Amino acid sequence: AQKITQTQPGMFVQEKEAVTLDCTYDTSDQSYGLFWYKQPSSGEMIFLIYQGSYDEQNATEGRYSLNFQKARKSANLVISASQLGDSAMYFCAMREDTGRRALTFGSGTRLQVQP
Amino acid sequence: DTGVSQDPRHKITKRGQNVTFRCDPISEHNRLYWYRQTLGQGPEFLTYFQNEAQLEKSRLLSDRFSAERPKGSFSTLEIQRTEQGDSAMYLCASSPQGAGTQYFGPGTRLLVL
Repeated sequence: AQKITQTQPGMFVQEKEAVTLDCTYDTSDQSYGLFWYKQPSSGEMIFLIYQGSYDEQNATEGRYSLNFQKARKSANLVISASQLGDSAMYFCAMREDTGRRALTFGSGTRLQVQP
Repeated sequence: DTGVSQDPRHKITKRGQNVTFRCDPISEHNRLYWYRQTLGQGPEFLTYFQNEAQLEKSRLLSDRFSAERPKGSFSTLEIQRTEQGDSAMYLCASSPQGAGTQYFGPGTRLLVL
């Protein structure tokens, strides 16, 4: 069974600073995908970034980067130059690469960006 | 707008009533997923379709829940005889076949009184 752990219920960051949101995972699968989603108060889950288990380079998407450490089973999200609009819940998720390919989510981290 | 859409966005109902939610996926996506999210938690998988076939249901999906995707396009999720424990956000996501990214709709917030 897959499991995602996010140990930071809440985080604060000053505007324009960088912040790291932690995510560790557990799986017996060799092939899997790791995702980060943002959920504003409106409720929609917004896809941010993806990392495949066989990708050798860390994924980057604009201000988002994923610090993937396979041996430590961690997939931390780094947001650079935080903006007020980044305030939201952030969820780390894992997807098995066979079968149903459903996402398993962590419990999330609430990020608040302060001016 | 070519994203995933869900209707209604909010639903308040009384215990014992039936409710139905609709999801319209991204048009070229043949996989469709339903998730449920309770307060303070991440979404949990309920069921998924590949085209019109419902391939798996979670143990979370009791007999009171039924989902359909009759023509492989939109999907409906019906809850019969609602209970207060059904109060949650119901999220729909779609993806292309294979290891594609799932894109989510805005969700339907259900409150059972």
